[in-house]
Amino acid sequence: RKEVEQDPGPFNVPEGATVAFNCTYSNSASQSFFWYRQDCRKEPKLLMSVYSSGNEDGRFTAQLNRASQYISLLIRDSKLSDSATYLCVVRNGGATNKLIFGTGTLLAVQP
Amino acid sequence: NAGVMQNPRHLVRRRGQEARLRCSPMKGHSHVYWYRQLPEEGLKFMVYLQKENIIDESGMPKERFSAEFPKEGPSILRIQQVVRGDSAAYFCASSPLAGGPKNTGELFFGEGSRLTVL
Repeated sequence: RKEVEQDPGPFNVPEGATVAFNCTYSNSASQSFFWYRQDCRKEPKLLMSVYSSGNEDGRFTAQLNRASQYISLLIRDSKLSDSATYLCVVRNGGATNKLIFGTGTLLAVQP
Repeated sequence: NAGVMQNPRHLVRRRGQEARLRCSPMKGHSHVYWYRQLPEEGLKFMVYLQKENIIDESGMPKERFSAEFPKEGPSILRIQQVVRGDSAAYFCASSPLAGGPKNTGELFFGEGSRLTVL
């Protein structure tokens, strides 16, 4: 079983749509959670951290359910510029601060 | 403040040759991570280094791959006797803080080095 699992997509949505991505992780000891964004042939960049209480940054809302080991990302009012691969990322604590990446969900926002 | 610098950005090697990928972390960062991304796959952790020390190399293939982060100069990921399966994007990331629960966990990535093995 993969440590971090995501639906690879692609999600094809029209501009203005609301889209939700889900992610599950296998290690119950995971301590920190993130969504990164990766544009085609570019490096990953931090989109937002995910907190247990849920958090919002503009059109983006992230949720964490530790009991279910489930993370979500909601994007409202999708823009063309949101087209990218969204990577669910967990950090398992311990000494190395190693980030474990999901394979990503591809989003294509259509005009 | 320059970001994480990787070079070369693109590298072509023939099977059996050596590949050397370099990474200069952000200023003030002394913790470097290497990740590999195979085509159509996610990023896989390879190795975590601090200056002059390998902290975690659990993701490194047992043979042909090595990494270092000397006291002076960039971190280097070295692949000996490359094979076609080594073709991938190799990303370096840096952090200002050591691993552990107090670290927020954000890593800052370079633009990657894309290795193609013919």
